Amino acid sequence: AQSVTQPDIHITVSEGASLELRCNYSYGATPYLFWYVQSPGQGLQLLLKYFSGDTLVQGIKGFEAEFKRSQSSFNLRKPSVHWSDAAEYFCAVGLNNAGNMLTFGGGTRLMVKP
Amino acid sequence: DAGVIQSPRHEVTEMGQEVTLRCKPISGHNSLFWYRQTMMRGLELLIYFNNNVPIDDSGMPEDRFSAKMPNASFSTLKIQPSEPRDSAVYFCASTYLGGGLGEQFFGPGTRLTVL
Repeated sequence: AQSVTQPDIHITVSEGASLELRCNYSYGATPYLFWYVQSPGQGLQLLLKYFSGDTLVQGIKGFEAEFKRSQSSFNLRKPSVHWSDAAEYFCAVGLNNAGNMLTFGGGTRLMVKP
Repeated sequence: DAGVIQSPRHEVTEMGQEVTLRCKPISGHNSLFWYRQTMMRGLELLIYFNNNVPIDDSGMPEDRFSAKMPNASFSTLKIQPSEPRDSAVYFCASTYLGGGLGEQFFGPGTRLTVL
């Protein structure tokens, strides 16, 4: 079965600093990969997704992620963090033959220092 | 589109009571998912439906939980009887199952507190 690991439970960065959130997955083939963001008291919102093609994908709010097959990783990055980026971030993997079912990582809570 | 709609947004009930959570997926979507989120266990998939048919309910914790989807625009998740350990945020999500794997759109969630 596929699994998703987000090694960092909490991350604190200063406003304006760069950000990288790690995501590793376990699956025998190329999965579909997603990053979602959850603001306090809200549902999850899709930031970006990777299905195939260019391994560097651009998302909303200035985020990007890079799929690295050799490392089974799909890390999320942002060059300059804003205070409004403080939220919880979830990496997810899906299988096309599993009826759209997603497996989520445990999440990384991002805090932004002024 | 209004997005995925869940009701109620908050529910406080006493142990032993029946709780019904409701979800209206995005119009045109044919897959619907129920998730539970807690601090201890994170985000867990409880059950999902394709074209109103339950496909995988292996995440449903026990027989106290049941879910239905009588038509394409409505689903319920029922807990009977409820217990304090059921306290969590329950999310409904929907997507279109077509030629590939689509984005799941999440509702705002129902925060359930069982006293």
